[in-house]
Amino acid sequence: TQLLEQSPQFLSIQEGENLTVYCNSSSVFSSLQWYRQEPGEGPVLLVTVVTGGEVKKLKRLTFQFGDARKDSSLHITAAQPGDTGLYLCAGLIYNQGGKLIFGQGTELSVKP
Amino acid sequence: DAGVTQSPTHLIKTRGQQVTLRCSPKSGHDTVSWYQQALGQGPQFIFQYYEEEERQRGNFPDRFSGHQFPNYSSELNVNALLLGDSALYLCASRRGQGIDQPQHFGDGTRLSIL
Repeated sequence: TQLLEQSPQFLSIQEGENLTVYCNSSSVFSSLQWYRQEPGEGPVLLVTVVTGGEVKKLKRLTFQFGDARKDSSLHITAAQPGDTGLYLCAGLIYNQGGKLIFGQGTELSVKP
Repeated sequence: DAGVTQSPTHLIKTRGQQVTLRCSPKSGHDTVSWYQQALGQGPQFIFQYYEEEERQRGNFPDRFSGHQFPNYSSELNVNALLLGDSALYLCASRRGQGIDQPQHFGDGTRLSIL
């Protein structure tokens, strides 16, 4: 059972465009994390959101946690080729310790 | 300060064989988790070790087993390998059992089953 539905699965855009990636679930998460993974490497943590409605910004990346803590989004403004990679959302559920539940990932390609 | 290190980086096995993958956690970390990432998918939780005991387990068969040593390093063992076990196996470590502690991932072991 996939608890975290991530969309879109693939995204190919031109440099300078904006994009949004979504993660949705019917489960409530104690926190939600966004990772970026390059080929041949492990996921690298970008941000953790904890409070419902929380918004965090990391340069051109904006992360939002839904009010009910069931969904999250990642918005990239003016995408650059260096943003190319696999973006993963992962949630932590109450009383399940440190077990991360990942979405399927969004493969982003930004063309110059 | 070394991060999470995994060995080997690549491994090729045939069906029915057994394999052992190794992980050294980031300095100061004592909790180790293992994940399986199939091609084009997000990682799936296998199990987590703390104080040399398996604390949590995901939906994986008993062919998948592990161990944690007193120095906090860990091994993942897979018996009777199947073609479907081909994947990137990731190790993640964190400090303690608090879920607010960030997890750091290694670069994984790419396992190919022929």
